[in-house]
Amino acid sequence: NAGVTQTPKFQVLKTGQSMTLQCAQDMNHNSMYWYRQDPGMGLRLIYYSASEGTTDKGEVPNGYNVSRLNKREFSLRLESAAPSQTSVYFCASTHFGAREKLFFGSGTQLSVL
Amino acid sequence: GESVGLHLPTLSVQEGDNSIINCAYSNSASDYFIWYKQESGKGPQFIIDIRSNMDKRQGQRVTVLLNKTVKHLSLQIAATQPGDSAVYFCAETPISGTYKYIFGTGTRLKVLA
Repeated sequence: NAGVTQTPKFQVLKTGQSMTLQCAQDMNHNSMYWYRQDPGMGLRLIYYSASEGTTDKGEVPNGYNVSRLNKREFSLRLESAAPSQTSVYFCASTHFGAREKLFFGSGTQLSVL
Repeated sequence: GESVGLHLPTLSVQEGDNSIINCAYSNSASDYFIWYKQESGKGPQFIIDIRSNMDKRQGQRVTVLLNKTVKHLSLQIAATQPGDSAVYFCAETPISGTYKYIFGTGTRLKVLA
């Protein structure tokens, strides 16, 4: 049982480049999330998808877009990367909503030069 | 992987002793709480959860205590082992936030041999 799988694990971008972070879960969860984690700060929500076909902004959505491709997959896209987007990105999922355990992937460490 | 939370409070505990990690949560209306363990370079791992209608919940070697009067959550780890060394953080879910988790910044636990 793989749980939540994220790719890539590491990425270095130049300012202005674009990329997509991929996330897939095999737990038949309805809700999926993208967070970023910066030193000294708690996890901050970028976007979430309550269920297949819906996406909503979190607290730090600027500079990002998301796609809920199907029930399993939720991708995060940086259209024009900026140094402020250097962070560790985590995808997570729950069966439904925030009243249940949230399961995380192993993260993507992104550096924007 | 990148070290998370370079300036986190640190708790150093002798191997075999019990550890107590504390969390002050922010919202008196929160009704669901989770403890996570995060090892360096890895994603957060679920440890234990508790709902607001409970004061205490036990798992394998771990106990979570909830004091709603002072908005305080604690994680007790019995017979701490070297493998328990990690960053621990709590998460809360406000009643009004169906899809919103609020994460603490964490405490680093160091187990001394």
